[in-house]
Amino acid sequence: GAGVSQSPSNKVTEKGKDVELRCDPISGHTALYWYRQSLGQGLEFLIYFQGNSAPDKSGLPSDRFSAERTGGSVSTLTIQRTQQEDSAVYLCASSILGGTGELFFGEGSRLTVL
Amino acid sequence: KNQVEQSPQSLIILEGKNCTLQCNYTVSPFSNLRWYKQDTGRGPVSLTIMTFSENTKSNGRYTATLDADTKQSSLHITASQLSDSASYICVVSARKGTYKYIFGTGTRLKVLA
Repeated sequence: GAGVSQSPSNKVTEKGKDVELRCDPISGHTALYWYRQSLGQGLEFLIYFQGNSAPDKSGLPSDRFSAERTGGSVSTLTIQRTQQEDSAVYLCASSILGGTGELFFGEGSRLTVL
Repeated sequence: KNQVEQSPQSLIILEGKNCTLQCNYTVSPFSNLRWYKQDTGRGPVSLTIMTFSENTKSNGRYTATLDADTKQSSLHITASQLSDSASYICVVSARKGTYKYIFGTGTRLKVLA
């Protein structure tokens, strides 16, 4: 597609349930980032994928969070046993060149954990 | 420590007025600085990019400045419109070799009719 696509746009779940968030980056962009944005806060780095290299998972807040990127394209962010503090907007971004290139963001997935 | 600080945290102005948003950074070595606009409920969108050698760059009613010596940037909005209401985020990239972007916490701008 023309832009970064994320789904679902909104997700309401009960505490303890697992959720999967999907990101489809711009075709040809080898760099893919996941960020978390809590209300009124800045963007918090979660994970970075670059081509076939091992991802940088240093930003994942706990072992309940994991992410995959299949075939160098689509990525899924999985949150297991969700907690109320996981409620936030999860933003995906892709770039031709990670680190200095322009980031193209998706619209985000708003997660609400009840 | 690489940091980006923005001020003010929030700003309310009347339609038609000008405003200036500030960004101070300590990122080193510096590669570039971007200003992003984030409308409510949307993802951030890049407005301008400033590299080390650039002092001023305009994008319509948006003008960004960069002082690499003092490590300061500003975003000036001229003749504000209601559609300028958004959060403006300053993002700094370090020189090649790192893939991490350093984000400011943003300035929330509200333009009133």
